[in-house]
Amino acid sequence: GESVGLHLPTLSVQEGDNSIINCAYSNSASDYFIWYKQESGKGPQFIIDIRSNMDKRQGQRVTVLLNKTVKHLSLQIAATQPGDSAVYFCAESNYGGSQGNLIFGKGTKLSVKP
Amino acid sequence: DAGITQSPRHKVTETGTPVTLRCHQTENHRYMYWYRQDPGHGLRLIHYSYGVKDTDKGEVSDGYSVSRSKTEDFLLTLESATSSQTSVYFCAISVGAGETQYFGPGTRLLVL
Repeated sequence: GESVGLHLPTLSVQEGDNSIINCAYSNSASDYFIWYKQESGKGPQFIIDIRSNMDKRQGQRVTVLLNKTVKHLSLQIAATQPGDSAVYFCAESNYGGSQGNLIFGKGTKLSVKP
Repeated sequence: DAGITQSPRHKVTETGTPVTLRCHQTENHRYMYWYRQDPGHGLRLIHYSYGVKDTDKGEVSDGYSVSRSKTEDFLLTLESATSSQTSVYFCAISVGAGETQYFGPGTRLLVL
């Protein structure tokens, strides 16, 4: 079957370099944001999240930056490794909204060259 | 995928036949979701549940029904499968509305 990643924008980086994946979100009322990683043939996996009262949050080798002024979210991966190759997508939530369901972006495919 | 299983993992069926997909969780989370994922569309919400016997429609609910008789199980039924329902189906769970959703491994469905 066709891979979910075939129609996505692709970011190609060299192993060891830093990667920056961007996401523009749609709702200015969204107050919670999540980054997911999806490897081929697997379900999306939670990476890191951030609430709107923060501008930056760091995890292990990953950092999420939030710019509410321009409704922009980015995921930075330090020292990218071949195992980081996957589709990455952001999700936004209006925590106080009527449904509170997540809205998912379509994703970016990260390809790591050895 | 810890705590969430989906069955079957792969299924091939014919147009017009009924199909039921099962999601089972061991996390005791209140919310459960069914998504489909197709190239060019990303994840689209089919139905979700906010408790036993409490369900609601998502973005692409036509042709699908769900049931939740126990906290741990959420069933997705295609009453009469069509080729447009060929997709990868993911179940997800969350503690509450708007919170982080954790996904199962997916079911790949092919309708011939």
